[in-house]
Amino acid sequence: KNEVEQSPQNLTAQEGEFITINCSYSVGISALHWLQQHPGGGIVSLFMLSSGKKKHGRLIATINIQEKHSSLHITASHPRDSAVYICAAPSSNTDKLIFGTGTRLQVFP
Amino acid sequence: DAMVIQNPRYQVTQFGKPVTLSCSQTLNHNVMYWYQQKSSQAPKLLFHYYDKDFNNEADTPDNFQSRRPNTSFCFLDIRSPGLGDAAMYLCATSRGSWPKDTQYFGPGTRLTVL
Repeated sequence: KNEVEQSPQNLTAQEGEFITINCSYSVGISALHWLQQHPGGGIVSLFMLSSGKKKHGRLIATINIQEKHSSLHITASHPRDSAVYICAAPSSNTDKLIFGTGTRLQVFP
Repeated sequence: DAMVIQNPRYQVTQFGKPVTLSCSQTLNHNVMYWYQQKSSQAPKLLFHYYDKDFNNEADTPDNFQSRRPNTSFCFLDIRSPGLGDAAMYLCATSRGSWPKDTQYFGPGTRLTVL
């Protein structure tokens, strides 16, 4: 069992829909990363959060440390949001970043 | 302005022919990382530098080496690339060690081995 798990693995949506991607982790963490990777490879860091909620434009990330669960929400989704979304958390005993398996999102016009 | 730059973006090499990938950063960050990402898989950490201190992951093949001549630059050398080394190679930086500090990723270099 991976220490960081995401769901769903694949997600399709119509433009304008509200999107939720979930991340559960089994390690004890102080912060969690949400990353976006577009086709072609480059990774962009969207959020690093340790509690509560963060918002940036149409993106919202929440985390519940007690339940070891985080969600990434996209409001009013757009085709340019199509990408792989990855959550990542530190290993419990090293500084290494453990990546979730990613959620491939496709938003159709 | 690009903060973590990788060159080249695409690299084609022949089986067994040494190749060097380059990463530079304008952030003056202490830590630089190299990741390997194969198709549909999560990035896998190969090694990282904290300043000049080199930290190799236990399962990184000896075929992979790295150099950090100064704060701004870090190189990944693949001494004898095999077909299995074809992947996206991602460089990242952070001011300090995770988890305190966000990692900033470069655009990646896609390596093809013929």
